[in-house]
Amino acid sequence: QSVLTQPPSASGTPGQRVTISCSGSSSNIGSNFVCWYQQLPGTAPKLLIYRDFQRPSWVPDRFSGSKSGTSASLAISGLRSEDEADYYCAAWDDSLSGVLFGGGTKLTVL
Amino acid sequence: EVQLVQSGAEVKKPGESLKISCKGFGYSFTNYWIGWVRQMPGKGLEWMGIIYPGDSDTRYSPSFQGQVTISADKSITTAYLQWSSLKASDTAMYYCARHGTTVTAPDYWGQGTLVTVSS
Repeated sequence: QSVLTQPPSASGTPGQRVTISCSGSSSNIGSNFVCWYQQLPGTAPKLLIYRDFQRPSWVPDRFSGSKSGTSASLAISGLRSEDEADYYCAAWDDSLSGVLFGGGTKLTVL
Repeated sequence: EVQLVQSGAEVKKPGESLKISCKGFGYSFTNYWIGWVRQMPGKGLEWMGIIYPGDSDTRYSPSFQGQVTISADKSITTAYLQWSSLKASDTAMYYCARHGTTVTAPDYWGQGTLVTVSS
């Protein structure tokens, strides 16, 4: 059972903006950076967002991250069919002395 | 360019031992934590543990402590994940992933190694 809580599913139509939430606690999101990953079907996870809101050079600016207190969010604007994937949040947890992943959110583009 | 290249798929029987590998390219291997993540069929990501190749400091998730061994050989920039006695429930995809220079969530990922344990 994941300690970082994500909705199991999300959906949107092409061009829409969707948001995926990630809820944690003071020992993880509240005190450490959050990362987000995209996992396309049959492939390895790929970094989307690091340090709460930073984007690697290969990630388009349609993807954005934010954090407030013990919760974080990933927003995808201008939704495209190729965004259909599983999305995971993650953060270091000081109590566990390890990384926690969210349970993952399956994004469907209708 | 940072790359993590993992060893190929394995098919093993219960009770057998196994060691899979992950070779790092394009960065200072000794200065970044590197670890392993399990993904069981149709399930989410589970963090297993990490190692700092510079001094072999190793951390395990409580769920995997005693079940696997993480090691690294900095001379060949390679990290390892090994089992002494596999179970059917170890069937999964295993990803290696580079973590930061300090302990943090991973950034770069390997392509994955599928381990199938079946009699």
